[in-house]
Amino acid sequence: AQKITQTQPGMFVQEKEAVTLDCTYDTSDQSYGLFWYKQPSSGEMIFLIYQGSYDEQNATEGRYSLNFQKARKSANLVISASQLGDSAMYFCAMREAHDDYKLSFGAGTTVTVRA
Amino acid sequence: DTEVTQTPKHLVMGMTNKKSLKCEQHMGHRAMYWYKQKAKKPPELMFVYSYEKLSINESVPSRFSPECPNSSLLNLHLHALQPEDSALYLCASSQGRGANYGYTFGSGTRLTVV
Repeated sequence: AQKITQTQPGMFVQEKEAVTLDCTYDTSDQSYGLFWYKQPSSGEMIFLIYQGSYDEQNATEGRYSLNFQKARKSANLVISASQLGDSAMYFCAMREAHDDYKLSFGAGTTVTVRA
Repeated sequence: DTEVTQTPKHLVMGMTNKKSLKCEQHMGHRAMYWYKQKAKKPPELMFVYSYEKLSINESVPSRFSPECPNSSLLNLHLHALQPEDSALYLCASSQGRGANYGYTFGSGTRLTVV
């Protein structure tokens, strides 16, 4: 079964607008970590934000925030005030306590920011 | 120094060649990883090294041979590759085991097998 599901293959967003990228996950572990990475066309995988399963507050890092709904097993990424440099592929990923070397990735969402 | 350095950035090799990919980190991370990524797909785990020992081999063909000479270096030796092995190869490291440790990735090596 898929551990991480990203249902939006591609999205267009207008510059300066906010965009939400969906991510749902599946795990039976109580302890797990959720991560979002950005991958521009250059190939580098850039860490954006982390949410722990026991964290009660939603994580925020600058223009990035994570909307964590534990009961629904969702961890959506919100990018506020989109910039042209935000155009990239975005991956949601999870590490589980029982299998803690592996980082399981979703299929990714390509975001294109329009001027 | 919070980065993972991969060399070379680009590599073209023939199917009979032997080449190596290199990865270096100086963050004191004790777990290092090799991933393979095809275009527009998520990365796929190949190998995990923990404290310089091979912990996970995800059934990777023997034409890929990893090596961890010390805690800062990770190599991937390539021999007799096939055209379908052309991909972006990403190295990563993490502080250790545990669900709260993220990975730090290098910028990757784009490999083309001709």
